Order: sequence, then structure tokens, then C-alpha cells
Amino acid sequence: EADIYQTPRYLVIGTGKKITLECSQTMGHDKMYWYQQDPGMELHLIHYSYGVNSTEKGDLSSESTVSRIRTEHFPLTLESARPSHTSQYLCASSLSTPTLRGEKLFFGSGTQLSVL
Amino acid sequence: KNQVEQSPQSLIILEGKNCTLQCNYTVSPFSNLRWYKQDTGRGPVSLTIMTFSENTKSNGRYTATLDADTKQSSLHITASQLSDSASYICVVSDRGSTLGRLYFGRGTQLTVWP
Repeated sequence: EADIYQTPRYLVIGTGKKITLECSQTMGHDKMYWYQQDPGMELHLIHYSYGVNSTEKGDLSSESTVSRIRTEHFPLTLESARPSHTSQYLCASSLSTPTLRGEKLFFGSGTQLSVL
Repeated sequence: KNQVEQSPQSLIILEGKNCTLQCNYTVSPFSNLRWYKQDTGRGPVSLTIMTFSENTKSNGRYTATLDADTKQSSLHITASQLSDSASYICVVSDRGSTLGRLYFGRGTQLTVWP
């Protein structure tokens, strides 16, 4: 069982609200990620971090921001939510390993966001 | 253009039957390929990983194969159980280093009926 936690599991909010999705892991992983997933579609990387004070934007353009002040914590913030932000948001972490096997991602259970 | 294509999109089988899910990729260079299982309302969980030199890997009733020449992988599930109902996602990495980029398929939604 992965030790990575996301809160809340479900969130329904009105347009224009500011929200923060929480993600914490207790495995000491240096790398953390945020993915967006819509039904029947592939996961899209929106943000990632290689360590404390390191954050990068992913492949999918996003109006969200992230921070990595502590190794275990990687929150995602939407300053002004819109209906187009309605989606499932998955947080993941991994431990850097310089081998051909790459890194195994450990995912949280996700936050299902609905913006009305 | 998605560089990882999975088929079928969805599949329904009866409990106890076997099934095979397919994954074709065009990712290059190729480093490794993982299969993940995603239960409804949960995050994906890694089932198997294969590098280019491995052509078969088993994890209990799950057996993954890889043909790096044809860029195809399959996930075979033996003696299916109701708990196998989930989405199965193929993920390909172009490098094994920390800079490796991951390419996700859209998944195959498997439903196992009693």
C-alpha cells in the first residue's frame, strides 16, 4: 500500500473560488508529480518537482501553481476555478534511481474536482 | 499524437476466463514499459516493468510480454477474478534516468462478470 495521501477526495465548488489540493507522502521520495485525468483519457502531467524548492510545469498547460517547501508535501493551487478545471487530479511520487528500470510511480487516490 | 495505443478500449469477460490486453508504442528511444492497474476511484498501481532486454515478466496471475522489435506489449490475465475489474494502463519511458519522460496509454477498461 502506497503511503501517499490526497485530500479532499471530492470537491464541488463555484466558479471563481480559490482552491488548494493537498498531497503528502511519507516514503521520503524526492520526486513528486501532479497529473490530470479525464474519463477514458490518458494521464497528463501538469506539474512536477525534483526536490525541495524545485518545481516545473509539465506537458499540459495549466493555470494551477504548486509549491515544494517540504519534501513530503506538494500542494496544488487554483487561484480562480473555472468549469474547464473539472477533472480528476492525481498526485504521485517516486524515488530517483539511475537504472534502466526507471522509477516506479506511487499514486494517491486522487481528488475529483467539479467546478460549477 | 499519443505514442502509446492500447486495445481494446474496453473488455467484458466472465469470471475464471483468461484475457489479453494489447499495447503498441512508437516511443523512441525506448527504456522501459510498465503496466499499471487502476481501480475505480483510486490511483494506478504498478503491476510489472520490463526493459528492452526482457520479453516476459510475471506477477501472480498477470504476465506481461514485450517485443521491442515490433514495439508491442501484452498483458495476459489468467483465471480472472471479480477484483480484476479495473483500467489497465500501459506506460512507456524514453529514458531510464531521472530525466525519462513517461508516455501514458488511455487504458483498457476490463470488467469481469460473475
